[in-house]
Amino acid sequence: EPEVTQTPSHQVTQMGQEVILRCVPISNHLYFYWYRQILGQKVEFLVSFYNNEISEKSEIFDDQFSVERPDGSNFTLKIRSTKLEDSAMYFCASSGPLSSDTQYFGPGTRLTVL
Amino acid sequence: SQQGEEDPQALSIQEGENATMNCSYKTSINNLQWYRQNSGRGLVHLILIRSNEREKHSGRLRVTLDTSKKSSSLLITASRAADTASYFCATDARRSSASKIIFGSGTRLSIRP
Repeated sequence: EPEVTQTPSHQVTQMGQEVILRCVPISNHLYFYWYRQILGQKVEFLVSFYNNEISEKSEIFDDQFSVERPDGSNFTLKIRSTKLEDSAMYFCASSGPLSSDTQYFGPGTRLTVL
Repeated sequence: SQQGEEDPQALSIQEGENATMNCSYKTSINNLQWYRQNSGRGLVHLILIRSNEREKHSGRLRVTLDTSKKSSSLLITASRAADTASYFCATDARRSSASKIIFGSGTRLSIRP
């Protein structure tokens, strides 16, 4: 069964460094998402992406964050200058061909900012 | 906020018993989804129920949706040890071209052997 994959599974970085989290969505999906979950807290929406542009973003998704679909398969989340409070589990999800279809989540990348 | 909120926050039952978890939300929705998360792991989609549906079944799972009360319930019948996990409802009230689902705080379910 097709699934969303994410790399790396765990990323440790120093505060102020840039990180890129990578996702390969399910191949025929058209809608892509990033969510995050701080330890012990709710899963929070960050951004949705459709037709090569951001569809919606939350207030968490400030200028330090960016997303890209550099080719036909990858979907990336970049954090330009990481802060301690960026430490969280980051989940990629995809859905489609309809926006209202189920969102399937990847296994997540655990980001630790030291 | 249109977030879903689960009730109870934690539930411990004996293996073989049924588990019922509830979710309430605040605004109109397109659909509501239930997800499971094992500790420190990813989110596994369980079931999606659309706003024009009232009940859905999938194996040992039964989900109901009452849009007039803005609530949903997830019933797991004949629980097993492997059902131990956190369960989240997530509501979709799409306003833009892509959906944005809002997760509740979850119910931590523990199945005692």
